[in-house]
Amino acid sequence: AQSVAQPEDQVNVAEGNPLTVKCTYSVSGNPYLFWYVQYPNRGLQFLLKYITGDNLVKGSYGFEAEFNKSQTSFHLKKPSALVSDSALYFCAVRGLNSGNTPLVFGKGTRLSVIA
Amino acid sequence: ETGVTQTPRHLVMGMTNKKSLKCEQHLGHNAMYWYKQSAKKPLELMFVYNFKEQTENNSVPSRFSPECPNSSHLFLHLHTLQPEDSALYLCASSRTPGGGNYGYTFGSGTRLTVV
Repeated sequence: AQSVAQPEDQVNVAEGNPLTVKCTYSVSGNPYLFWYVQYPNRGLQFLLKYITGDNLVKGSYGFEAEFNKSQTSFHLKKPSALVSDSALYFCAVRGLNSGNTPLVFGKGTRLSVIA
Repeated sequence: ETGVTQTPRHLVMGMTNKKSLKCEQHLGHNAMYWYKQSAKKPLELMFVYNFKEQTENNSVPSRFSPECPNSSHLFLHLHTLQPEDSALYLCASSRTPGGGNYGYTFGSGTRLTVV
């Protein structure tokens, strides 16, 4: 079975400080991992993904995520947070060999960047 | 604009009404999904269509009835809804069933209020 955990409901960070939004996963075999962002009353927007290769993945709006196979984690990071980064962030996973099984999404982490 | 268009953006309906939500994608994707997003609850996968065939129905009440006439269009027919059905309904599509290594593209959602 596939699962993903986002242990924090809410993350607060001051503008200009680095931010981390945590994600851990469980799949059989190798994972495909995704981060999405949702602004109020909008759909989810793709930020970045890990498929294979470099463990550090760079995405939109200056975000990056580090794949750590031994810790089964895929934490989202940004060196310097902006107020406009305030949104709901979702981690998602599927196994490389999971056939047509849909993506599994975490419950989301609300990021609040304070000026 | 993501390439997945949902209409209407907002809908208020009485409990005895019948209405439909529409989702359209011109990305050439072969799988489409309906999700329900309620306040303070995780994303709930409702229905999955792969190549126009329904492949998942996650114990959704029969007052929600999906229809997929072709691979570009997905509808959610609503009748005799309850106030707890008020939520943001999100449509998503993917290039291949399950999302493969591309993930999903989401629409902006329909905000449904049942009165």
